[in-house]
Amino acid sequence: QKEVEQDPGPLSVPEGAIVSLNCTYSNSAFQYFMWYRQYSRKGPELLMYTYSSGNKEDGRFTAQVDKSSKYISLFIRDSQPSDSATYLCAMSGDAGNMLTFGGGTRLMVKP
Amino acid sequence: EADIYQTPRYLVIGTGKKITLECSQTMGHDKMYWYQQDPGMELHLIHYSYGVNSTEKGDLSSESTVSRIRTEHFPLTLESARPSHTSQYLCASRRGETQYFGPGTRLLVL
Repeated sequence: QKEVEQDPGPLSVPEGAIVSLNCTYSNSAFQYFMWYRQYSRKGPELLMYTYSSGNKEDGRFTAQVDKSSKYISLFIRDSQPSDSATYLCAMSGDAGNMLTFGGGTRLMVKP
Repeated sequence: EADIYQTPRYLVIGTGKKITLECSQTMGHDKMYWYQQDPGMELHLIHYSYGVNSTEKGDLSSESTVSRIRTEHFPLTLESARPSHTSQYLCASRRGETQYFGPGTRLLVL
């Protein structure tokens, strides 16, 4: 079983929809949680970073961490076709430790 | 925006050739990584470095080698390319909890 599980999708939504992307993990030592966005044929780029439990908002994006359930989420409000990409979650224990990535969820936002 | 560069971006090469994929960053980061990623698939860590003269193998067994003679430069070498090496190779560097990726090199071995 993988340390970080992520539904590969694809997830197809209409423009303007609220998107929920999720990851579950098994290592209770993880404290740092990240979401990366990867466009086709490009390298991943960091979208959101949170430490421990709680919510963090940045524009249309909200990252949520529930350490008790070992579950993290990324919400995208008012989704746009330009949000179409693969979204990878990543996490680590102590600061500076190796990142463990999920397999990525492919999102398609249709106009 | 991250200043991490990879060359070449695309490479088509014949079996048995030696190739070197270049990666450089201008941010002074000590930690650097190489990942392999097949289309639509997850990232697999193949090599990492925590500084000059430090190199380690990652989770995925790889026939490639790396070197870290300078902080800003982390090249990956395949001594004898095979069709099974066809993939995308991503280089990354890290400061704190923030990891920056390069644009990747797409390799096709015929």
